[in-house]
Amino acid sequence: DTAVSQTPKYLVTQMGNDKSIKCEQNLGHDTMYWYKQDSKKFLKIMFSYNNKELIINETVPNRFSPKSPDKAHLNLHINSLELGDSAVYFCASSLVPMQGATEAFFGQGTRLTVV
Amino acid sequence: QKEVEQNSGPLSVPEGAIASLNCTYSDRGSQSFFWYRQYSGKSPELIMFIYSNGDKEDGRFTAQLNKASQYVSLLIRDSQPSDSATYLCAVLSGGYQKVTFGTGTKLQVIP
Repeated sequence: DTAVSQTPKYLVTQMGNDKSIKCEQNLGHDTMYWYKQDSKKFLKIMFSYNNKELIINETVPNRFSPKSPDKAHLNLHINSLELGDSAVYFCASSLVPMQGATEAFFGQGTRLTVV
Repeated sequence: QKEVEQNSGPLSVPEGAIASLNCTYSDRGSQSFFWYRQYSGKSPELIMFIYSNGDKEDGRFTAQLNKASQYVSLLIRDSQPSDSATYLCAVLSGGYQKVTFGTGTKLQVIP
């Protein structure tokens, strides 16, 4: 009964390929996120969806395309993978806050290695 | 200026001591502040959140918030080797749930 689950956990692929990472949450949360954590452990937001609607789109190459078929799922598709895309990608979800305090629950991460 | 700043460390403290982790943020309109702990190779997990000025205590952990100084800290009393991890400060701002993380402080508790 994992709260936020991502697949796959590890992904090794060649430059130029297209790949997808899937995320599902069973917490009933309205908001889902994709974060990228680089080799220096900096966790940077990429996208945020609220009830299937894109609300945050940080400066991310357009090779990255999120898709939210419903509020429990947020997938990340990456086209033409580059070496610099190698990182750990975390999916997270949170409730819309009542008073401005909310907790984000993270998936276990997907370690993407582009060779 | 980075939105959320932390000293990357490592911060080394002996077992039983108090570890003090600091964080500053740039957006004065920030609403809520979080401390996450991340063990190596694992996902971040929430330790505490705070949204009012002052101190908030939970067991061995105390979060301190000073909005005037745009400063938030985490104190860990009676530090244990199991507390060794990277501690991420996160700040909620904006109307759309944008949570911005700092670069994290690596804490090492030495037995």
